[in-house]
Amino acid sequence: DAGITQSPRHKVTETGTPVTLRCHQTENHRYMYWYRQDPGHGLRLIHYSYGVKDTDKGEVSDGYSVSRSKTEDFLLTLESATSSQTSVYFCAIGRSSGNTIYFGEGSWLTVV
Amino acid sequence: TQLLEQSPQFLSIQEGENLTVYCNSSSVFSSLQWYRQEPGEGPVLLVTVVTGGEVKKLKRLTFQFGDARKDSSLHITAAQPGDTGLYLCAGAEGLGAGSYQLTFGKGTKLSVIP
Repeated sequence: DAGITQSPRHKVTETGTPVTLRCHQTENHRYMYWYRQDPGHGLRLIHYSYGVKDTDKGEVSDGYSVSRSKTEDFLLTLESATSSQTSVYFCAIGRSSGNTIYFGEGSWLTVV
Repeated sequence: TQLLEQSPQFLSIQEGENLTVYCNSSSVFSSLQWYRQEPGEGPVLLVTVVTGGEVKKLKRLTFQFGDARKDSSLHITAAQPGDTGLYLCAGAEGLGAGSYQLTFGKGTKLSVIP
């Protein structure tokens, strides 16, 4: 158990509505990541954070924003959800950049 | 972004058989991780390899990092139904200023039939 909690675990929302996914860690790790996992694409990095209020874009950041106001929390926001954002979202944490990261259990998001 | 090719994509074998999964790239990674993921769950770390030529063993699983740090393999001896899952490799790529990004392969889906 890597001390990562994602919420909600499952959500169905309508196109155009805002959605926020939360990742909470109890490990005090500096790095936090948001990935999405889709068939045929594998795991792709959306955004990551290297400290409080320090974030950067990943490979598929369009349509997503993040915030990290505390070490333990990393929020992923879809400002206006689209059907293409239906996916499984995984939060991950790491003690140092490029080293081993540990994943949460995932958040299943369906946009209808 | 560096690409990681995993092969095979799918593998279905009988219990007791041996198998090898490959992870290849044309670029050099500073380290490489292997994860196993079961349906409905997040990936769980199996091992991290850092040194070229490094071999690590985890019970019936043997992981090897290529000498040039461009490829890796996972060998499972006497596979069991509990080994069933999606196996993912991930390579660490330097972004500069001491920062890295993990690039994931698309995975190998293993089914071990009793």
